[in-house]
Amino acid sequence: AQKVTQAQTEISVVEKEDVTLDCVYETRDTTYYLFWYKQPPSGELVFLIRRNSFDEQNEISGRYSWNFQKSTSSFNFTITASQVVDSAVYFCALHTGVTGGFKTIFGAGTRLFVKA
Amino acid sequence: DAGVIQSPRHEVTEMGQEVTLRCKPISGHDYLFWYRQTMMRGLELLIYFNNNVPIDDSGMPEDRFSAKMPNASFSTLKIQPSEPRDSAVYFCASSLGRREERDRRAYEQYFGPGTRLTVT
Repeated sequence: AQKVTQAQTEISVVEKEDVTLDCVYETRDTTYYLFWYKQPPSGELVFLIRRNSFDEQNEISGRYSWNFQKSTSSFNFTITASQVVDSAVYFCALHTGVTGGFKTIFGAGTRLFVKA
Repeated sequence: DAGVIQSPRHEVTEMGQEVTLRCKPISGHDYLFWYRQTMMRGLELLIYFNNNVPIDDSGMPEDRFSAKMPNASFSTLKIQPSEPRDSAVYFCASSLGRREERDRRAYEQYFGPGTRLTVT
């Protein structure tokens, strides 16, 4: 069965702190994709990053970085020097079954509050 | 390039009425998804289409829900009759499928702004 666990329901930090959002996934598929999405208070869902199961390179984009470790089935997301505008709900998602009948499963989300 | 377009943005209706939500995917995308988001259940995939054909509708809650995609640029999600428990935000998303093994854009889902449905 496929599953995505975001154990942190809410995180509160002060501006300029670094924060890591955890994501643990389960799948038996050998080919799959992992995603992070941001949902700000305005409600839209914004695509942040995609990772393939065969590409364990970590990625940095500005203040955002992602750490993908297949050995621990984790795909964690770190925001460096957080800002108030980072306040949002962040979703981790798993996309499996690319050979047919695929599924996209979202985690429950982590609500991040960044205080000024 | 325009993103995914959904209409209406807000819909308030009375129980028992028919509701139709509309979606225009990003041009060239061959997958279209309908999701529902509620506080209790989070984001749930209702149905998805590939090249206008419904592939998996196992997430559709019951027969009151139906979805169509008559062409590559338009899809509808219909609820008939609507009930208060259908109140939620409904998102449409589209993506490209995988063209090759290491396709860097495959399956990136781009979401529309959502339709907030309230059934009283």
